[in-house]
Amino acid sequence: EVQLVESGGGLVQPGGSLRLSCAASGFTFRDYWMYWVRQVPGKGLEWVSRIKTDGSVTAYADSVKGRFSSSRDNAKNTLYLQMNSLRAEDSAVYYCASPFSSGFWGQGTLVTVSS
Amino acid sequence: DIVMTQTPLSSPVTLGQPASISCRSSQSLVHSDGNTYLSWLQQRPGQPPRLLIYKVSNRFSGVPDRFSGSGAGTDFTLKISRVEAEDVGVYYCMQGTQIPLSFGHGTNVEIK
Repeated sequence: EVQLVESGGGLVQPGGSLRLSCAASGFTFRDYWMYWVRQVPGKGLEWVSRIKTDGSVTAYADSVKGRFSSSRDNAKNTLYLQMNSLRAEDSAVYYCASPFSSGFWGQGTLVTVSS
Repeated sequence: DIVMTQTPLSSPVTLGQPASISCRSSQSLVHSDGNTYLSWLQQRPGQPPRLLIYKVSNRFSGVPDRFSGSGAGTDFTLKISRVEAEDVGVYYCMQGTQIPLSFGHGTNVEIK
């Protein structure tokens, strides 16, 4: 069974940092480009980042560029999102996903940026 | 950036009746590899998104055949032939042809 399990969310003050993790199982993780997508509760979906199979190529939404960094450890089947200089508008549920023909989505982890 | 415009925003439907959602992209979604990376997602209340349709018209594994996708270029449609109670939720179109990925604003399907 395919599983993506996000962790690392929580409450953080503006300007703070968090590192999200996404543990993958049930598929050959190293073969898939992986994505982070976020969603403010009750609102729509917003793409955050993408990372190539070997981690050599990344891309970011303009809203997080320069503050967020995606990486992966294929030996540990784990995807990461390092989030720095957090703002209130970064508050959302963060999903890891391989959303195209594979249809893999995690359950999400909630990040709240507030003083 | 590609903008995805979905209509309607809300779709009250009688059980057993059809429903249709339209999605229009601001640019053609035909990729240089010849594929069109347009997907449809369903999000039930309190759940993560779930893939229904990929590459315009391919039904994902386990998706009931009452769901179908069609379209080409910039205009796409998701149809539910006979709405069931379990179909309640928000439906999103998503393009993966170009970075940044983009999503429609969502269509809320509810039972009348």
